[in-house]
Amino acid sequence: QVQLVESGGGLVQPGRSLRLSCAGSGFNFDSYAIHWVRQAPGKGLEWLAVVSDDGADASFADSVRGRFTLSRDNFKNIVSLQMNSLSPDDTAIYYCARDHGPLGYAYGEDWGQGTLVTVSA
Amino acid sequence: EIVMTQSPDTLSVSPGERVSLSCRASHSISTNLAWYQQKPGQPPRLLIHGASTRATGTPARFSGSGFGTDFTLTISSLESEDFAVYYCQQYNAWPPYSFGQGTKLQIK
Repeated sequence: QVQLVESGGGLVQPGRSLRLSCAGSGFNFDSYAIHWVRQAPGKGLEWLAVVSDDGADASFADSVRGRFTLSRDNFKNIVSLQMNSLSPDDTAIYYCARDHGPLGYAYGEDWGQGTLVTVSA
Repeated sequence: EIVMTQSPDTLSVSPGERVSLSCRASHSISTNLAWYQQKPGQPPRLLIHGASTRATGTPARFSGSGFGTDFTLTISSLESEDFAVYYCQQYNAWPPYSFGQGTKLQIK
């Protein structure tokens, strides 16, 4: 079955960087776009970014553009979210989700369990 | 940016009741709308896409409707496992793929 597993979360100081990973299995990983969505404690969902199936195209929300970057390794079935210049406002559970298709034009069909990022001194 | 607004924020209902949740887009999004269910400590789960198409595994008591700017998620007869937070999301114009703020369905 489709499985997405996020990793790399933890406690990080303001201004520092963190790299999250999303490992996919149970499907043709290189045929689907991958989204990242976060949820601050007690808050709603915030879409952050999407990368296309081949990694050639990526889009970001204004709140993270210029600080966050995406990459993917289709040999290892991993998408990575590099997060720089972190602030306490970035504290959240970070989810990856598989898009319905290859380009990221749709919705999150399957979701990982999430990884918690806490930004604090 | 398209802003999605859900109403109400919280809805108190009894099992067995019929309930409708509303989602409104600030601009027309055709039928490019998804609904998700999220229970405490769990990731969101896709319920509906294309405004009205049930995702695999979504029970038939869930139905979606709407076009343009106004959308509704209806649960025909609430079961205990349906008490959760529901989010709508547009995927018509992006970035961002904006979510609504959520509607919490709680037991009366």
